[in-house]
Amino acid sequence: SQKIEQNSEALNIQEGKTATLTCNYTNYSPAYLQWYRQDPGRGPVFLLLIRENEKEKRKERLKVTFDTTLKQSLFHITASQPADSATYLCALEPTGGGNKLTFGTGTQLKVEL
Amino acid sequence: SQTIHQWPATLVQPVGSPLSLECTVEGTSNPNLYWYRQAAGRGLQLLFYSVGIGQISSEVPQNLSASRPQDRQFILSSKKLLLSDSGFYLCAWSHSVLAKNIQYFGAGTRLSVL
Repeated sequence: SQKIEQNSEALNIQEGKTATLTCNYTNYSPAYLQWYRQDPGRGPVFLLLIRENEKEKRKERLKVTFDTTLKQSLFHITASQPADSATYLCALEPTGGGNKLTFGTGTQLKVEL
Repeated sequence: SQTIHQWPATLVQPVGSPLSLECTVEGTSNPNLYWYRQAAGRGLQLLFYSVGIGQISSEVPQNLSASRPQDRQFILSSKKLLLSDSGFYLCAWSHSVLAKNIQYFGAGTRLSVL
């Protein structure tokens, strides 16, 4: 069956360090992979999209990598700040689209002073 | 610019009562529309999606239904709520051609069925 796995344990890091979150998937051949941020009681907000033929995508302090051989995406936040504390979700669009996304359960990031 | 409106923000309903949650999108035409439910500490579960007026796809069998009476209006309904219907309901839109299926979410409705 198709699975998207993100670390369910919260990630606690110190301010200024780089946070690295992992998204692993099985039985998908995604055309795109997306990352979203969700704050408590709010809807997810889109951050980055990376295509299957791209290895890396950057946006300000954010970097996403996509390894279709390992079936894994890594999401990095450099120089992390307490304001980066949130839950981060990855989402897959299967090859062929279908206008749907499947979301991982998310990893909670806590950046401490 | 595009905006999505979802209401109400919170709702407390007794078991067996009906439900109607509404979602509207402004600033785009022919969007794809979605209803998700998120249980506490859990991921997003896709309930329904729609690619056009009157076109509804149901992802999971359940006590809920959805309708799309207008291009930018999506309604989630139930005739009789169950305790298990409690959760955080999110509406979202995307545009396959313009925005690579990036989804934009509403603020959500916290539903408590008592």
